[in-house]
Amino acid sequence: EAQVTQNPRYLITVTGKKLTVTCSQNMNHEYMSWYRQDPGLGLRQIYYSMNVEVTDKGDVPEGYKVSRKEKRNFPLILESPSPNQTSLYFCASSQVRGSEQFFGPGTRLTVL
Amino acid sequence: GNSVTQMEGPVTLSEEAFLTINCTYTATGYPSLFWYVQYPGEGLQLLLKATKADDKGSNKGFEATYRKETTSFHLEKGSVQVSDSAVYFCALPERGSNYKLTFGKGTLLTVNP
Repeated sequence: EAQVTQNPRYLITVTGKKLTVTCSQNMNHEYMSWYRQDPGLGLRQIYYSMNVEVTDKGDVPEGYKVSRKEKRNFPLILESPSPNQTSLYFCASSQVRGSEQFFGPGTRLTVL
Repeated sequence: GNSVTQMEGPVTLSEEAFLTINCTYTATGYPSLFWYVQYPGEGLQLLLKATKADDKGSNKGFEATYRKETTSFHLEKGSVQVSDSAVYFCALPERGSNYKLTFGKGTLLTVNP
């Protein structure tokens, strides 16, 4: 089954404790992206990647890092989480030349 | 750059009512337009799309027509069901891109039995 998976689905952590949210897709998509979803603000893009070893900032990259060492994986790293990063996070992927994006189920992060 | 504005919710309807969620866009050229849906506890999924002016996208009883004269892509359904309760997002590609999407802020629809 074609899908985007994210782990963990739920995470409660404390300020400053490094964490990684994993994202994996099995559709051989070149393009992958991370979004955060907040009430009243909709979806905002954090980082995206055009292909292996090619990443770029989205609209709200501060406090986040990403890497793309393999085509299927695109982890989101919070080196020193803060409470304002409490949010619902989505990973998405698509073919570069096709526009439909496939979304993961989301990761709800709470930073205390 | 390209942008999209959709009506703010929440929208609450009774089952079998008619639904319209307005979406207008600002864009250079005529990019593809999309509606995504987010059911409770899930990620977004593509509901329908239109790739050129005057195209009508349709899926699951929902329809939207790409109208360049009014720069609109309103989502409609003739008879909503409780299972349609979700958040709906209008989206279009950013200028110069056919893969990076800009989303509206979402419209929460609740359908009561």
